[in-house]
Amino acid sequence: GDSVTQMEGPVTLSEEAFLTINCTYTATGYPSLFWYVQYPGEGLQLLLKATKADDKGSNKGFEATYRKETTSFHLEKGSVQVSDSAVYFCALSERSGAGSYQLTFGKGTKLSVIP
Amino acid sequence: DSGVTQTPKHLITATGQRVTLRCSPRSGDLSVYWYQQSLDQGLQFLIQYYNGEERAKGNILERFSAQQFPDLHSELNLSSLELGDSALYFCASSQGPRGGVETQYFGPGTRLLVL
Repeated sequence: GDSVTQMEGPVTLSEEAFLTINCTYTATGYPSLFWYVQYPGEGLQLLLKATKADDKGSNKGFEATYRKETTSFHLEKGSVQVSDSAVYFCALSERSGAGSYQLTFGKGTKLSVIP
Repeated sequence: DSGVTQTPKHLITATGQRVTLRCSPRSGDLSVYWYQQSLDQGLQFLIQYYNGEERAKGNILERFSAQQFPDLHSELNLSSLELGDSALYFCASSQGPRGGVETQYFGPGTRLLVL
């Protein structure tokens, strides 16, 4: 079945440092890929998405490129801020036989940014 | 604010009891997905409804059930509760697939504690 593997955390960075969170996936077809963010005590927010190979999703300074050849969707940001401290989830969605698009999530990576 | 609402925010109950979690999707969304987030299992898909009908089931226990009403709100019923059911329960809504892609928007979650 489908699966998502993302780097284990926690990750601690200083403000303005470069961020990379690795994500690789296994899927039977051509999934859509997502990054969700969960701030402390809150629900999941969609950060960015990409729906086909070589697409780049971007939002709030974060970027991720859908790499079919390496089955990866790594999240990057050039300069992190304290407000970026959160848990980041990589996820994929692929149409199931029942016509559903349920999300399969990685285990999450906790990012802490210190001033 | 995603536009998806969930009630209650917190729920504390005892083993063996039954609870109902409620979700109201974003205006215009026909699909509702339920997910469970626990420390050991991570985020897992439970069940999906589309326009009142069950569309797909994931790792949902037989003690759990759900339904979607004509006004499109959904309820997740958890019965014969066990300590291991303590978790954060999210619902997500979407319009339905557009061009083979479906983007889900998450509610703030209901935190269930079974004592």
